Amino acid sequence: KNEVEQSPQNLTAQEGEFITINCSYSVGISALHWLQQHPGGGIVSLFMLSSGKKKHGRLIATINIQEKHSSLHITASHPRDSAVYICAVTNYGQNFVFGPGTRLSVLP
Amino acid sequence: NAGVTQTPKFQVLKTGQSMTLQCAQDMNHNSMYWYRQDPGMGLRLIYYSASEGTTDKGEVPNGYNVSRLNKREFSLRLESAAPSQTSVYFCASSEYSPSNTGELFFGEGSRLTVL
Repeated sequence: KNEVEQSPQNLTAQEGEFITINCSYSVGISALHWLQQHPGGGIVSLFMLSSGKKKHGRLIATINIQEKHSSLHITASHPRDSAVYICAVTNYGQNFVFGPGTRLSVLP
Repeated sequence: NAGVTQTPKFQVLKTGQSMTLQCAQDMNHNSMYWYRQDPGMGLRLIYYSASEGTTDKGEVPNGYNVSRLNKREFSLRLESAAPSQTSVYFCASSEYSPSNTGELFFGEGSRLTVL
């Protein structure tokens, strides 16, 4: 069993839809990261969470430490949100363990 | 503020050739990482450096060597390239401390093809 799992693997949505991507992990962590990778592009950090909830624009990330689960929500999705979203966990920065990614396509 | 810079962006090698991927960060981070990304797989750690002068093997270190030349630079060397090393390589850095967020910063990636 992988230490970090994501669901769904692939997701296609219509523009404007509310999107949820899930991440569960099985190891102890100090923080969880959500990353975004556009096709053929680099990887950028969206959020770092150790508890609760964070919001940046149309993106919301939540984490439940007791359940070892995090969700990334995108409200009013747009084609430019099409990307691979990657969940990563760390234990005080010693190493990062990455999920396999969720490929999101938002159709106009 | 350039963040993490890695070179080259693209490279084609023949089996048995050697090359070095260069990485530099200007954020004064102690921790630096080399990952490879292959289709259908998550990012996998090749080597990690917690500080200048220290390096540790990651999940897939075979066939690679690294040098943490100073706090800014962390290079990855393929001594004798193999087709199995065809991949996209990412350098990253972070700093975890009471006064730092621990955010992970990535370079743009280096696409390596070994024929």
